[in-house]
Amino acid sequence: GAVVSQHPSWVICKSGTSVKIECRSLDFQATTMFWYRQFPKQSLMLMATSNEGSKATYEQGVEKDKFLINHASLTLSTLTVTSAHPEDSSFYICSARELTGSSYEQYFGPGTRLTVT
Amino acid sequence: AQSVTQLDSQVPVFEEAPVELRCNYSSSVSVYLFWYVQYPNQGLQLLLKYLSGSTLVKGINGFEAEFNKSQTSFHLRKPSVHISDTAEYFCAVLQGAQKLVFGQGTRLTINP
Repeated sequence: GAVVSQHPSWVICKSGTSVKIECRSLDFQATTMFWYRQFPKQSLMLMATSNEGSKATYEQGVEKDKFLINHASLTLSTLTVTSAHPEDSSFYICSARELTGSSYEQYFGPGTRLTVT
Repeated sequence: AQSVTQLDSQVPVFEEAPVELRCNYSSSVSVYLFWYVQYPNQGLQLLLKYLSGSTLVKGINGFEAEFNKSQTSFHLRKPSVHISDTAEYFCAVLQGAQKLVFGQGTRLTINP
């Protein structure tokens, strides 16, 4: 089946630094990738939608200059948290939608836990 | 905008008992509905989906859900649960062509 990986699985960084998270579709090409944020014991909140080769579309309230998304190829999207602060600590999950898929299914990565100290 | 409400934040059941996790959606148009499971510190895994056709949808791990248009519901059921079913379950509706809107989640706890 379709597999999505994320790297790293967890990361600790100091306040003020930037962190990059990678999301890869391993065995399929993804036209669209999505980035979600999940706080403890809460649901997933969509942050942005990215299509290969074009600018990401951010959800209302998400700072696009803080959460930089790049979708350089059909198998890779990256999320960079710039100038991270403790309130950015969260579980970040990506998902990918297959290029030829018509089932509207998104395949989810295992998530990246970010802790900002 | 479409929305999803999961009526129970936590559901404790005993092993081998049946379970139903409730999900209601709001939409005035055709809906595509999904149930996902999330194990601790992991991403989401698709259990089942309703796009069209039969209103009774069977998924993985013995789960099934029934789409009820008149009640705008998509409840998830399993006739006999196992300890390994302990997880967080999310109901979701597709908004537009690609945006998933998730419910608040239901934590299913199986007690021996």
